[in-house]
Amino acid sequence: QSALTQPRSVSGSPGQSVTISCTGTRSDVGGYDYVSWYQQHPGRAPKLMIYDLRNRPSGVPDRFSGSKSGNTASLTISGLQAEDEADYYCCSYAGSYTFAVFGGGTKLTVL
Amino acid sequence: QVQLQESGPGLVKPSETLSLTCTVSGGSISTYYWNWIRQSPGKGLEWIGYIYYSGSTNYSPSLKSRVTVSLDTSKNQFSLKLSSVTAADTAVYYCARDLAAAGSFDYWGQGTLVTVSS
Repeated sequence: QSALTQPRSVSGSPGQSVTISCTGTRSDVGGYDYVSWYQQHPGRAPKLMIYDLRNRPSGVPDRFSGSKSGNTASLTISGLQAEDEADYYCCSYAGSYTFAVFGGGTKLTVL
Repeated sequence: QVQLQESGPGLVKPSETLSLTCTVSGGSISTYYWNWIRQSPGKGLEWIGYIYYSGSTNYSPSLKSRVTVSLDTSKNQFSLKLSSVTAADTAVYYCARDLAAAGSFDYWGQGTLVTVSS
């Protein structure tokens, strides 16, 4: 069982927006603004899409955005495209002892 | 462009030690935090541990008793040793760079599957 809770699957049609939630506790998501999001296509390594809650690395489209409310972080993908279909994982800093905890992953299907 | 590449045996016997090496190219290993992360077949990601370029380490509490991560700056490599493995340790093992020890892994290796079986 993963430390952070994500929905198993979400779906949307091309051009629509979807939001993936990531729920933790005050010891991780709620306690720090160090939440990151990763996109993983089958057979590939994860790719950093959002870091430090809402920052995008160079090259990541601005269709991807991150936010947080309380113990729940969210990844929103607007203007869905076929290539966005992938698994998405959240990760949160959880203090110097535990360090990093991941969510169980969400499968995004573009209809 | 920084690139990471894992190497090591793809098959390890139960109770033995899993050993992997990550070679970093396109940048120096003498900065940042260097991590090992694994993904069991069909499952999610699990952080294993990191080493800072200074040599300081931090390990997952659940694996701490079995994990050692080391650094070889002369070869631009860092390594993972996981002792007393069982079938539960079968996974794809990734090496990854973290900019600031905050769980933001910006560069990853392609991953290597390690199967624990006799």
